[in-house]
Amino acid sequence: GAVVSQHPSWVICKSGTSVKIECRSLDFQATTMFWYRQFPKQSLMLMATSNEGSKATYEQGVEKDKFLINHASLTLSTLTVTSAHPEDSSFYICSARQGDEQFFGPGTRLTVL
Amino acid sequence: QKEVEQNSGPLSVPEGAIASLNCTYSDRGSQSFFWYRQYSGKSPELIMSIYSNGDKEDGRFTAQLNKASQYVSLLIRDSQPSDSATYLCAGDYNTDKLIFGTGTRLQVFP
Repeated sequence: GAVVSQHPSWVICKSGTSVKIECRSLDFQATTMFWYRQFPKQSLMLMATSNEGSKATYEQGVEKDKFLINHASLTLSTLTVTSAHPEDSSFYICSARQGDEQFFGPGTRLTVL
Repeated sequence: QKEVEQNSGPLSVPEGAIASLNCTYSDRGSQSFFWYRQYSGKSPELIMSIYSNGDKEDGRFTAQLNKASQYVSLLIRDSQPSDSATYLCAGDYNTDKLIFGTGTRLQVFP
């Protein structure tokens, strides 16, 4: 299957700072990428759909000004958590679509102190 | 409402047995279905895709799709302790994004 990478794999930051997470498709081009969040022992929650060259589409209840998404190329999408707070601590996972299938990155574990 | 439903489990099976994981979906509009495996603390990994009615086999895994009954299943033959994970069923409802079930936790005991 296709390979998707994320960076960093984990990050610890202070409350009020911003954190950027990168998602890359390594061996294919992805016009569409997705950002998910998963809290411990809970289901995946889709946050937004990232389309190359256009604005992201956010799911209901997700603050677009807090979670900034940029999909500047066919292999890179970034998620910036602005003014992070402890309640934003979670496992953030991106995925990229190749054909009909979605392949997930390894995830980024964010801890906000 | 587009939904995918799974029994949360845990489903416990002995090593070597067949594990049967089931999923139902609410809307006949979905054409493609996917099974992902997620180990604790890790991201989901795609293990099977199925697009048409019937069975699709890949190694120890068999996916079954019945569109008339709106039912998808995953069979794991010769279950191993390393198969212990949460299995997520997803349908695409002919859109870019996937609708995931809540997952079934499988425990394979020696």
